Amino acid sequence: EAGVAQSPRYKIIEKRQSVAFWCNPISGHATLYWYQQILGQGPKLLIQFQNNGVVDDSQLPKDRFSAERLKGVDSTLKIQPAKLEDSAVYLCASRSTGEKGRKQYFGPGTRLTVT
Amino acid sequence: AQSVTQLDSQVPVFEEAPVELRCNYSSSVSVYLFWYVQYPNQGLQLLLKYLSGSTLVKGINGFEAEFNKSQTSFHLRKPSVHISDTAEYFCAVSVNNNDMRFGAGTRLTVKP
Repeated sequence: EAGVAQSPRYKIIEKRQSVAFWCNPISGHATLYWYQQILGQGPKLLIQFQNNGVVDDSQLPKDRFSAERLKGVDSTLKIQPAKLEDSAVYLCASRSTGEKGRKQYFGPGTRLTVT
Repeated sequence: AQSVTQLDSQVPVFEEAPVELRCNYSSSVSVYLFWYVQYPNQGLQLLLKYLSGSTLVKGINGFEAEFNKSQTSFHLRKPSVHISDTAEYFCAVSVNNNDMRFGAGTRLTVKP
Protein backbone atom coordinates (compact mmCIF):
# COMPACT_ATOMS: atom_id res chain seq x y z
CA GLU A 1 0.00 0.00 0.00
CA ALA A 2 1.43 3.36 -1.03
CA GLY A 3 1.76 5.92 1.74
CA VAL A 4 0.86 9.58 1.87
CA ALA A 5 2.77 11.47 -0.80
CA GLN A 6 3.85 15.09 -0.48
CA SER A 7 5.72 17.43 -2.76
CA PRO A 8 7.97 19.25 -2.84
CA ARG A 9 10.09 17.91 0.01
CA TYR A 10 11.93 21.21 0.44
CA LYS A 11 11.18 24.78 -0.55
CA ILE A 12 13.03 28.02 0.04
CA ILE A 13 11.30 31.31 -0.73
CA GLU A 14 11.63 34.96 0.19
CA LYS A 15 9.10 36.67 2.42
CA ARG A 16 6.06 38.01 0.64
CA GLN A 17 6.34 35.34 -2.05
CA SER A 18 3.71 32.65 -2.58
CA VAL A 19 4.11 28.90 -2.21
CA ALA A 20 1.97 25.81 -2.65
CA PHE A 21 2.27 22.31 -1.27
CA TRP A 22 0.64 19.19 -2.63
CA CYS A 23 -0.57 16.08 -0.84
CA ASN A 24 -1.92 12.81 -2.15
CA PRO A 25 -3.43 10.70 0.64
CA ILE A 26 -3.63 6.94 0.84
CA SER A 27 -6.15 5.66 -1.67
CA GLY A 28 -9.63 5.53 -0.22
CA HIS A 29 -8.92 7.70 2.80
CA ALA A 30 -11.74 10.18 3.16
CA THR A 31 -10.16 12.31 5.87
CA LEU A 32 -7.16 14.50 5.15
CA TYR A 33 -5.24 16.77 7.51
CA TRP A 34 -2.66 19.51 7.11
CA TYR A 35 -0.36 20.21 10.05
CA GLN A 36 2.28 22.86 10.65
CA GLN A 37 5.30 21.75 12.66
CA ILE A 38 7.58 24.55 13.74
CA LEU A 39 11.07 23.55 14.80
CA GLY A 40 11.05 22.32 18.39
CA GLN A 41 7.28 22.02 18.59
CA GLY A 42 4.67 19.36 18.00
CA PRO A 43 2.47 19.38 14.91
CA LYS A 44 -0.40 21.87 14.97
CA LEU A 45 -3.53 21.13 13.00
CA LEU A 46 -4.23 23.70 10.30
CA ILE A 47 -7.18 22.16 8.50
CA GLN A 48 -9.13 18.92 8.26
CA PHE A 49 -11.10 17.73 5.24
CA GLN A 50 -13.73 15.04 5.06
CA ASN A 51 -13.91 14.17 1.36
CA ASN A 52 -14.05 17.61 -0.30
CA GLY A 53 -15.57 19.44 2.66
CA VAL A 54 -13.82 21.33 5.43
CA VAL A 55 -14.45 19.89 8.89
CA ASP A 56 -12.17 22.13 10.95
CA ASP A 57 -10.11 25.13 9.89
CA SER A 58 -10.23 27.03 13.17
CA GLN A 59 -6.43 27.24 13.42
CA LEU A 60 -5.78 28.17 9.81
CA PRO A 61 -4.54 31.77 9.38
CA LYS A 62 -7.06 32.54 6.70
CA ASP A 63 -5.61 35.92 5.79
CA ARG A 64 -2.66 34.19 4.14
CA PHE A 65 -3.29 30.42 4.15
CA SER A 66 -5.75 28.55 1.97
CA ALA A 67 -6.35 24.91 1.22
CA GLU A 68 -8.55 22.94 -1.10
CA ARG A 69 -9.47 19.37 -1.88
CA LEU A 70 -11.74 19.88 -4.83
CA LYS A 71 -12.31 16.27 -5.85
CA GLY A 72 -11.98 14.78 -2.41
CA VAL A 73 -8.67 13.11 -3.21
CA ASP A 74 -5.46 15.14 -3.34
CA SER A 75 -5.11 18.50 -1.66
CA THR A 76 -3.17 21.73 -2.01
CA LEU A 77 -2.11 24.10 0.76
CA LYS A 78 -1.12 27.62 -0.26
CA ILE A 79 0.54 30.48 1.56
CA GLN A 80 0.25 33.96 0.08
CA PRO A 81 2.16 36.05 1.04
CA ALA A 82 4.66 34.13 3.16
CA LYS A 83 6.15 35.50 6.37
CA LEU A 84 9.35 34.55 8.16
CA GLU A 85 7.35 32.81 10.89
CA ASP A 86 5.85 30.43 8.34
CA SER A 87 9.15 28.56 8.21
CA ALA A 88 8.19 25.06 9.30
CA VAL A 89 7.56 21.54 8.13
CA TYR A 90 4.09 21.10 6.66
CA LEU A 91 2.76 17.62 7.23
CA CYS A 92 -0.12 15.97 5.49
CA ALA A 93 -1.93 13.02 7.04
CA SER A 94 -4.88 10.87 6.05
CA ARG A 95 -7.23 8.48 7.77
CA SER A 96 -9.84 6.01 6.68
CA THR A 97 -13.38 6.74 7.88
CA GLY A 98 -13.66 3.22 9.14
CA GLU A 99 -10.30 3.33 10.91
CA LYS A 100 -10.79 2.48 14.53
CA GLY A 101 -8.78 4.52 16.95
CA ARG A 102 -8.34 7.42 14.60
CA LYS A 103 -4.88 6.41 13.44
CA GLN A 104 -3.49 8.96 11.06
CA TYR A 105 -0.93 8.09 8.41
CA PHE A 106 1.60 10.87 7.87
CA GLY A 107 3.51 11.90 4.80
CA PRO A 108 7.22 12.85 4.92
CA GLY A 109 6.43 16.56 5.03
CA THR A 110 7.50 19.64 3.13
CA ARG A 111 10.17 21.74 4.81
CA LEU A 112 9.57 25.43 4.06
CA THR A 113 12.22 28.04 4.70
CA VAL A 114 11.21 31.68 4.35
CA THR A 115 14.13 34.13 4.12
CA ALA B 1 -10.24 21.61 24.83
CA GLN B 2 -7.82 18.81 25.40
CA SER B 3 -4.09 19.41 25.77
CA VAL B 4 -0.90 17.43 26.16
CA THR B 5 2.24 18.13 28.17
CA GLN B 6 5.44 16.26 27.58
CA LEU B 7 7.45 16.83 30.68
CA ASP B 8 10.92 16.37 29.21
CA SER B 9 12.14 18.11 26.10
CA GLN B 10 15.29 15.99 25.92
CA VAL B 11 16.17 12.60 27.36
CA PRO B 12 19.72 11.31 26.96
CA VAL B 13 20.28 7.67 27.83
CA PHE B 14 22.94 5.04 27.28
CA GLU B 15 22.37 2.08 25.02
CA GLU B 16 20.65 -0.91 26.66
CA ALA B 17 19.39 1.23 29.53
CA PRO B 18 15.67 1.55 30.25
CA VAL B 19 13.85 4.74 29.35
CA GLU B 20 10.59 6.45 30.23
CA LEU B 21 9.18 9.39 28.31
CA ARG B 22 6.51 11.21 30.27
CA CYS B 23 3.20 12.50 28.98
CA ASN B 24 0.32 14.12 30.83
CA TYR B 25 -2.95 15.15 29.28
CA SER B 26 -5.85 17.37 30.17
CA SER B 27 -9.42 16.69 29.11
CA SER B 28 -12.88 16.83 30.60
CA VAL B 29 -14.05 13.82 28.60
CA SER B 30 -12.74 10.40 27.67
CA VAL B 31 -9.77 10.45 25.37
CA TYR B 32 -7.83 8.41 22.90
CA LEU B 33 -4.06 8.55 23.44
CA PHE B 34 -1.21 8.02 21.02
CA TRP B 35 2.55 7.95 20.83
CA TYR B 36 4.23 8.80 17.54
CA VAL B 37 7.92 8.65 16.63
CA GLN B 38 9.63 10.91 14.13
CA TYR B 39 13.02 9.96 12.76
CA PRO B 40 15.13 12.71 11.18
CA ASN B 41 13.67 14.02 7.93
CA GLN B 42 10.78 11.58 8.06
CA GLY B 43 7.08 11.78 8.81
CA LEU B 44 5.44 10.63 12.03
CA GLN B 45 4.97 6.93 12.62
CA LEU B 46 2.50 5.51 15.10
CA LEU B 47 4.14 3.59 17.94
CA LEU B 48 1.05 2.65 19.90
CA LYS B 49 -2.40 3.85 20.91
CA TYR B 50 -4.84 3.54 23.77
CA LEU B 51 -8.54 3.41 22.95
CA SER B 52 -10.07 1.46 25.82
CA GLY B 53 -9.63 -1.77 27.74
CA SER B 54 -6.29 -2.82 29.16
CA THR B 55 -4.34 0.13 30.46
CA LEU B 56 -1.02 -1.38 29.39
CA VAL B 57 -0.55 -0.96 25.67
CA LYS B 58 2.21 -2.63 23.70
CA GLY B 59 3.49 -1.09 20.51
CA ILE B 60 6.12 -1.57 17.87
CA ASN B 61 9.88 -1.69 18.42
CA GLY B 62 9.51 -2.98 21.99
CA PHE B 63 7.78 0.13 23.33
CA GLU B 64 4.84 0.07 25.72
CA ALA B 65 2.77 2.69 27.50
CA GLU B 66 0.48 2.70 30.49
CA PHE B 67 -2.71 4.71 30.70
CA ASN B 68 -3.31 6.08 34.19
CA LYS B 69 -6.65 7.82 34.38
CA SER B 70 -6.28 9.07 37.95
CA GLN B 71 -2.97 10.72 37.14
CA THR B 72 -4.01 11.65 33.58
CA SER B 73 -0.78 10.21 32.28
CA PHE B 74 0.32 8.03 29.40
CA HIS B 75 4.04 7.45 29.86
CA LEU B 76 6.05 5.60 27.24
CA ARG B 77 8.61 2.98 28.29
CA LYS B 78 11.18 0.66 26.84
CA PRO B 79 13.24 -1.72 29.00
CA SER B 80 16.37 -1.57 26.83
CA VAL B 81 17.00 1.05 24.16
CA HIS B 82 19.09 0.85 21.01
CA ILE B 83 21.01 3.48 19.12
CA SER B 84 18.33 3.26 16.43
CA ASP B 85 15.71 4.51 18.90
CA THR B 86 17.24 7.98 18.72
CA ALA B 87 14.38 10.15 17.47
CA GLU B 88 11.71 12.65 18.46
CA TYR B 89 8.71 11.20 20.27
CA PHE B 90 5.30 12.86 20.35
CA CYS B 91 2.39 12.15 22.64
CA ALA B 92 -1.04 13.04 21.25
CA VAL B 93 -4.63 13.08 22.49
CA SER B 94 -7.92 13.01 20.63
CA VAL B 95 -11.47 13.26 21.92
CA ASN B 96 -13.41 13.16 18.68
CA ASN B 97 -13.04 12.93 14.94
CA ASN B 98 -12.12 16.53 14.57
CA ASP B 99 -9.07 17.22 16.63
CA MET B 100 -5.78 15.61 17.62
CA ARG B 101 -3.51 17.64 19.84
CA PHE B 102 0.20 16.90 19.98
CA GLY B 103 2.70 17.58 22.73
CA ALA B 104 5.85 19.55 22.05
CA GLY B 105 7.90 16.38 21.71
CA THR B 106 10.72 14.66 23.58
CA ARG B 107 14.04 14.17 21.87
CA LEU B 108 15.46 10.79 22.87
CA THR B 109 19.18 10.47 22.32
CA VAL B 110 20.72 7.04 22.84
CA LYS B 111 24.44 7.11 23.42
CA PRO B 112 26.82 4.18 22.96
